[in-house]
Amino acid sequence: EAGVAQSPRYKIIEKRQSVAFWCNPISGHATLYWYQQILGQGPKLLIQFQNNGVVDDSQLPKDRFSAERLKGVDSTLKIQPAKLEDSAVYLCASSLSGTSGRANSYNEQFFGPGTRLTVL
Amino acid sequence: GDSVTQMEGPVTLSEEAFLTINCTYTATGYPSLFWYVQYPGEGLQLLLKATKADDKGSNKGFEATYRKETTSFHLEKGSVQVSDSAVYFCALKTGANNLFFGTGTRLTVIP
Repeated sequence: EAGVAQSPRYKIIEKRQSVAFWCNPISGHATLYWYQQILGQGPKLLIQFQNNGVVDDSQLPKDRFSAERLKGVDSTLKIQPAKLEDSAVYLCASSLSGTSGRANSYNEQFFGPGTRLTVL
Repeated sequence: GDSVTQMEGPVTLSEEAFLTINCTYTATGYPSLFWYVQYPGEGLQLLLKATKADDKGSNKGFEATYRKETTSFHLEKGSVQVSDSAVYFCALKTGANNLFFGTGTRLTVIP
């Protein structure tokens, strides 16, 4: 079974430029997540989609970050304009579904290899 | 709010040494707890999990026990191998399927 695909793997841009990342989740996975992992820190959730709807984007800096999942399959994350502090690895993950409604249940998230962004 | 505090790294061990990576958490309610591993050049992978107090998660020789009284979920392995060299992340989940991660601990095992 193919895993979560992400591209590009690496991107270097100058501040104030725009950048976009692409993610293709595991086939059949309804839920898609974007995480930001700054060097030396753990991944932090930016946005969660259930099919093509946003479930949680409370940590997404909406003045410069946007994400979409128009057909409920692949997704793009965009930064416009980029700042130096946006340098990080952007991880995409997918799971069969989000909440199952049962306490202590978990739908395993499968992660892609990430896109390493450097903003100069 | 919910958070995870993880042992600072990096950790360097000789092959066959005993490994402990400490993890403590703060959470409202009753979280599920996880260890994820990231091997060089690969994505994060679920290593093990525990969903309620006193549960023990285990996989590939690694173990962690959910200790509610000490709010801990320490990762242990009795005899590490060079192939265990990776970054290990402790994480928790509360209501939704979202994960809160610790900062990660880099383990290097030398022959």
